[in-house]
Amino acid sequence: DIQMTQSPSTLSASVGDRVTITCRASQSISSWLAWYQQKPGKAPKLLIYKASSLESGVPSRFSGSGSGTEFSLTISSLQPDDFATYYCQEYNTYATFGQGTRLEIK
Amino acid sequence: QVQLQESGPGLVKPSETLSLTCTVSGGSISSYYWTWIRQPPGKGLQWIGYIYYSGSTNYNPSLKSRVTISIDTSKTQFSLKLGSVTAADTAVYYCARVITAPGTGGWFDPWGQGTLVTVSS
Repeated sequence: DIQMTQSPSTLSASVGDRVTITCRASQSISSWLAWYQQKPGKAPKLLIYKASSLESGVPSRFSGSGSGTEFSLTISSLQPDDFATYYCQEYNTYATFGQGTRLEIK
Repeated sequence: QVQLQESGPGLVKPSETLSLTCTVSGGSISSYYWTWIRQPPGKGLQWIGYIYYSGSTNYNPSLKSRVTISIDTSKTQFSLKLGSVTAADTAVYYCARVITAPGTGGWFDPWGQGTLVTVSS
């Protein structure tokens, strides 16, 4: 089974900051990785697919990179609406999610 | 715009079978994979299984012995049955459409709003 490990588990930042969340796969998954944003009481929302492709309608301050086993999600300038929990998901096999990164206001 | 809506009992007794339905509206159920994902309160996401519109399925190995996913294209619905439930199966259950990449699984978009199922006597 593929394991997905996100870091950090919690990230404190301020509006305007540039932040990066990392996702590591236990084996190579090529570029078969998606990123989601989840707010309390809501379903996850797709941000990025195929490691770096921005979903339509998602602000350009979000970007994804990586391949193989190391991936990252970067928010270039945090906005108040961005404070949420972020999950990575591999789809090289079936589907495995990372444990999540909670992005909180500093 | 495709929309998904989960429905089913919010309370299930231990050892019984959890049954949920996802209704797809605003688009075709054909030519796509569809999926169920769950999220225990305060915890992360767990993929449960996929179904193709033709009826072929793939399940999470950790749940495979207890899960059945089926589809009714005439009703644009797909369903989840999870047997022999325990308190550990208490979760918000989401349905979603799968956007597949050739030769692999896929990413999930859109999602239903989710429905909380509590396992308790």
